[in-house]
Amino acid sequence: QVQLVESGGGVVQPGRSLRLSCEASGFTFSAYAMHWVRQAPGKGLEWVAVTSYDGRDKYYAESVKGRFTVSRDNSKNTLFLEMNSLRAEDTAVYYCARDISGWYGVHEYWGQGTPVTVSS
Amino acid sequence: EIVMTQSPATLSVSPGERATLSCRASQSVSDNLAWYQQKPGQTPRLLIYGASTRASGVPARFSGSGSGTEFTLTISSLQSEDFAVYYCQQYTNWPPMYTFGQGTKLEIK
Repeated sequence: QVQLVESGGGVVQPGRSLRLSCEASGFTFSAYAMHWVRQAPGKGLEWVAVTSYDGRDKYYAESVKGRFTVSRDNSKNTLFLEMNSLRAEDTAVYYCARDISGWYGVHEYWGQGTPVTVSS
Repeated sequence: EIVMTQSPATLSVSPGERATLSCRASQSVSDNLAWYQQKPGQTPRLLIYGASTRASGVPARFSGSGSGTEFTLTISSLQSEDFAVYYCQQYTNWPPMYTFGQGTKLEIK
């Protein structure tokens, strides 16, 4: 069965960096676009970034553009999110999600999420 | 950016009754609209995509309709496990700039 397991979250000071990982299993990782979606405490869902199946194409929400970088290692079935210049408003649970089919924009499978707290 | 607006913010319905949730897009998204369910402390679950196609394993009591800017999620006969927060999401942009609605909380009346 499809499994997505995020890791790397934690408490970090404003302006610092953090790298999240998402290990995938149960499907052909290299065939799907992968997304990051976040949810601030008590708030709704916010799409963060997407990478194409081969990692060549990447797109970001305006709120993180220039600070966050999404990447993937298809040989290790792993998705990454490098987060730089972190701000208090980046505090959230970060989910990785698999697209429903190739690159469609629909998040069919989700990980359990990894919490990120940006605080001094 | 396409803004998605859901209404109402909170909906109180009795078990066994029908629930109707609305989602409006600030510009046409065609039928590129998905619905997700999120229970407290849980991961979001995909219910509907393509405005009206149920995802795998989703019960038939869930149905989606609409196109363009107006969409509806209907739950025909509410079960206890259906009380949750529901989000709509558009995925029509290119380049991608996917956006979610703010959510509708479906609570027991």
